[in-house]
Amino acid sequence: RKEVEQDPGPFNVPEGATVAFNCTYSNSASQSFFWYRQDCRKEPKLLMSVYSSGNEDGRFTAQLNRASQYISLLIRDSKLSDSATYLCVVNSGTYKYIFGTGTRLKVLA
Amino acid sequence: EAGVVQSPRYKIIEKKQPVAFWCNPISGHNTLYWYLQNLGQGPELLIRYENEEAVDDSQLPKDRFSAERLKGVDSTLKIQPAELGDSAVYLCASSPPSGPSSYNEQFFGPGTRLTVL
Repeated sequence: RKEVEQDPGPFNVPEGATVAFNCTYSNSASQSFFWYRQDCRKEPKLLMSVYSSGNEDGRFTAQLNRASQYISLLIRDSKLSDSATYLCVVNSGTYKYIFGTGTRLKVLA
Repeated sequence: EAGVVQSPRYKIIEKKQPVAFWCNPISGHNTLYWYLQNLGQGPELLIRYENEEAVDDSQLPKDRFSAERLKGVDSTLKIQPAELGDSAVYLCASSPPSGPSSYNEQFFGPGTRLTVL
């Protein structure tokens, strides 16, 4: 089993739709969690950190469920510009960052 | 402020040839990472430096890969000899000094796209 697992997608959604991605992790001692966004042929960039209390940034909401060992990302009112790959990242301890394979999102006009 | 700089951006070589990649992290960032990213996959850590010390090189294939960060600033990753399976994007990232929190953002460079023929 991979340490961090994501559905690779692609998720094809119409503009304005709400879409959610989950990411599961296997190391219960994991300390911190992130969502990164990666555009085609570009480098990953931090979208948001995921705290125990959850956090929201505009149309984006991230949640952490330690009991079930998963994090989620919810995107409301999808825009064409949200089309990208969303990478789940877990710090499994001692600053060892494990990346998931990424989930591809395509927002359709 | 300049971001993470990597060069070259693209490199095409024949198998068994050597190749080197260079990375200059954001000024003041003491942590430097080298990642390998294959198509359709997430980045995989090759080596992590804290200043000039390689603190995690467990995933670096040491028979052909080497890295250095002599003065704790810029870094070079080398492959000798390159194999067909080394074709990938090599990403460098850096982080500022970490505080008590483990929430430390990584800033990535644009990567070097290596093609081994």
